[in-house]
Amino acid sequence: DSGVTQTPKHLITATGQRVTLRCSPRSGDLSVYWYQQSLDQGLQFLIQYYNGEERAKGNILERFSAQQFPDLHSELNLSSLELGDSALYFCASSVGAGETGNTIYFGEGSWLTVV
Amino acid sequence: AQSVTQLGSHVSVSEGALVLLRCNYSSSVPPYLFWYVQYPNQGLQLLLKYTSAATLVKGINGFEAEFKKSETSFHLTKPSAHMRDAAEYFCAVSDGTGNDMRFGAGTRLTVKP
Repeated sequence: DSGVTQTPKHLITATGQRVTLRCSPRSGDLSVYWYQQSLDQGLQFLIQYYNGEERAKGNILERFSAQQFPDLHSELNLSSLELGDSALYFCASSVGAGETGNTIYFGEGSWLTVV
Repeated sequence: AQSVTQLGSHVSVSEGALVLLRCNYSSSVPPYLFWYVQYPNQGLQLLLKYTSAATLVKGINGFEAEFKKSETSFHLTKPSAHMRDAAEYFCAVSDGTGNDMRFGAGTRLTVKP
């Protein structure tokens, strides 16, 4: 158990809909990362938040957005869903922002299926 | 920007044989390098990481990796494979500036009895 908690574990929704994935980082970790894992794209970095502020942005679509709240939990919002958005979405956390090569700890992921 | 390339999307070994998973990195600054393992239906778990302290890094489950700057490599090895080692392995690099960690495409390890 990494200490990173993600909900829901599985989600099935229709195209065009909007979903929210939730993540609670490990106790004491200030950074939260979101990754998307799919068969064709592999593991793709989406976005990182550090202590409530956006720190780094990767291949995140404009239809997707994220935020980190004062209690450090984070949410990833996916809207206007398409079939191609079906993937495993990981949340991860680390103590720092990455400057010292902090270890990133992963949650077990949220499986999103768009039908 | 930093990146990693994992050579071989699939590696198959017999139980008891040497495991060698290859990773080459590209980074304009001294990198931090990581190996993660993903078992079926689970998240990624850290195996080991290199942060410039020692070039030979020992990790969990008998794995180790050697940082070779001249070859820009960080290959993962284990002397004797076990059935439980069957999983997907990811190499990752961070440049330590606070930017995102970049992952390789992954190598699926199969262990034959």
